Amino acid sequence: DAKTTQPNSMESNEEEPVHLPCNHSTISGTDYIHWYRQLPSQGPEYVIHGLTSNVNNRMASLAIAEDRKSSTLILHRATLRDAAVYYCILKPNFGNEKLTFGTGTRLTIIP
Amino acid sequence: DTGVSQNPRHKITKRGQNVTFRCDPISEHNRLYWYRQTLGQGPEFLTYFQNEAQLEKSRLLSDRFSAERPKGSFSTLEIQRTEQGDSAMYLCASSFGPLVDTQYFGPGTRLTVL
Repeated sequence: DAKTTQPNSMESNEEEPVHLPCNHSTISGTDYIHWYRQLPSQGPEYVIHGLTSNVNNRMASLAIAEDRKSSTLILHRATLRDAAVYYCILKPNFGNEKLTFGTGTRLTIIP
Repeated sequence: DTGVSQNPRHKITKRGQNVTFRCDPISEHNRLYWYRQTLGQGPEFLTYFQNEAQLEKSRLLSDRFSAERPKGSFSTLEIQRTEQGDSAMYLCASSFGPLVDTQYFGPGTRLTVL
């Protein structure tokens, strides 16, 4: 499986935007970029995914570099409830059903 | 609440005992996954089912571990002769698949082996 690299931790002030980076220089053409987050004492939760174009949903935006070797998860206005570990995961569209988690980025929100 | 439930939420057992965990996925989901998570690490894949068929098993799933999904609905994960190294959070997830493969996770079962 292609590997992703994320910072171990980040801090952000409440009500400000947060940009969580992910490097994936060995991404293949069929790999989708998925983001999940894990709030304290809960199972992971799907956030967003994309292939080439930038994506938006009610939770976040995903900005994908033109060469697809990196991506950024954007939380437009962080709240205390966004404090979690965020995982960037590469997953082929077919043929590999499991999610391969790294250690993710622990996001702390400062009130 | 994602709609995936796991029972029990916590289990404390003594080394050498057998334990069984249950996962009830979202009802229309035909794919079910088991993961294990130790402290400070991301979840690690153990196995997955499509309907009642177990299609992939990780090398992490030793002979002491067995998973079943007898009618393609709920699943059980059994650990025989537990060891202290089995202490972890066991997570279950389900998905509709294959074109919509977002995985929905349950809250997990925390196992402590004394």
